Amino acid sequence: DAGVTQSPTHLIKTRGQHVTLRCSPISGHKSVSWYQQVLGQGPQFIFQYYEKEERGRGNFPDRFSARQFPNYSSELNVNALLLGDSALYLCASSLAAGANQPQHFGDGTRLSIL
Amino acid sequence: GQQVMQIPQYQHVQEGEDFTTYCNSSTTLSNIQWYKQRPGGHPVFLIQLVKSGEVKKQKRLTFQFGEAKKNSSLHITATQTTDVGTYFCAGSSGSARQLTFGSGTQLTVLP
Repeated sequence: DAGVTQSPTHLIKTRGQHVTLRCSPISGHKSVSWYQQVLGQGPQFIFQYYEKEERGRGNFPDRFSARQFPNYSSELNVNALLLGDSALYLCASSLAAGANQPQHFGDGTRLSIL
Repeated sequence: GQQVMQIPQYQHVQEGEDFTTYCNSSTTLSNIQWYKQRPGGHPVFLIQLVKSGEVKKQKRLTFQFGEAKKNSSLHITATQTTDVGTYFCAGSSGSARQLTFGSGTQLTVLP
C-alpha cells in the first residue's frame, strides 16, 4: 500500500509570494496533520484536519491555512512568504483525530525562500 | 505552553556500545511517542507509551515512561550502524489537541 505522498518535493519561492503544498494520506486514514521542521529541530505542529474539519491549530500566524477534501487529501497554503518560512513541511496521516494517534509521515516538501 | 525537552542533543558511540536519550515534559503527559528520522528522511513512528511506569521493548530498543508521566527514555543496546539517525520523543497532555515534539537526539554510530 502507498504511504503518505506529498507534492512537490522541492520548491523555491521569493519573499511575498504564496505557496500551496499537497498531501495524500494513507488509504483508510481520515486525519491529516501538517508540521514544519526547521533544520536541527523537531517537527512543529501547524494543523490537524479530520473529516474536512480543523481539529487543532498550532502557534502559527494567519498566513498559514489548510483544508481537507472529501477524499481526505489536504492542502497547506502559506501567504506572504517570509525568509523564516524556509523549512521542511511534513504531512502526516492517522486513522483518527487526536494527539494520541501515531503519525505516519510523508517525505515532505522542502521549501526555500529567497 | 507545553514543552518537551530532550537530552543529549548529539551522541557519538562506537558500534556495539549502548545509547540512551532522555525526554522531559513541563506537564503531565497522556501519551508519549517515539520516532526515528534517518538523515534526509522523514520521522518514522516507533512506539507509543500511555501508562505510568510502562516499559516496552522492540528487539534492542527499550522504551520507558516515567511514574509521574512527565519523562521518558529510549535505550538502545549494542548499537549498530543501522541505528544512525535522530530520535524524537513527542507527547501530548489530556487537553491538548497537538503533539509536541522534542528537539531530538542525533545518534552517530562509528564502525
